[in-house]
Amino acid sequence: AQTVTQSQPEMSVQEAETVTLSCTYDTSESNYYLFWYKQPPSRQMILVIRQEAYKQQNATENRFSVNFQKAAKSFSLKISDSQLGDTAMYFCAFTYYNYGQNFVFGPGTRLSVLP
Amino acid sequence: SQTIHQWPATLVQPVGSPLSLECTVEGTSNPNLYWYRQAAGRGLQLLFYSVGIGQISSEVPQNLSASRPQDRQFILSSKKLLLSDSGFYLCAWRPGKNIQYFGAGTRLSVL
Repeated sequence: AQTVTQSQPEMSVQEAETVTLSCTYDTSESNYYLFWYKQPPSRQMILVIRQEAYKQQNATENRFSVNFQKAAKSFSLKISDSQLGDTAMYFCAFTYYNYGQNFVFGPGTRLSVLP
Repeated sequence: SQTIHQWPATLVQPVGSPLSLECTVEGTSNPNLYWYRQAAGRGLQLLFYSVGIGQISSEVPQNLSASRPQDRQFILSSKKLLLSDSGFYLCAWRPGKNIQYFGAGTRLSVL
């Protein structure tokens, strides 16, 4: 069964600095999607960024970018110019191309942005 | 536009009482729908998913059940709540292969 691991339960970063959150996953398939979701204190789950496994180019969304290493099964999230509003739980998630396959979420990393 | 609604936002229930949480999706038809539970400070546990009316798949055996009486309505229920049912419940829908959207969640406290 596929699994998603986030080895950093908690992290902190100073405002305006850059931070990288780690994620590794386990799968024997080659076609899948990867995601980072953000859950702020309001607990609303918000999609931050997504990556399709067949695309070698790393996805970017404004201050958020990923480092996708398919051979290493690694999918890290880099947040540049951290803002206080980035304080949240961050979940890495995975699903196969097959529409019937469910999402698998990692345990999350709690990020605190310090003023 | 497509939106997902989940209610109530907060619920406090005594042990042994019934439960009904509702989730509806607007602006789409035949969505894949999901119920997750999140314990405090923890990740998401998939409870149920549905690919159509009356079609429910359970991921974890437990005190809860789910139903889908209408195409865009997904209900999470319990006949008798346990203390261990406390948590944050999230409904989600999947409009396509590469995305899943979440409702605002329900904070359930069983006392």
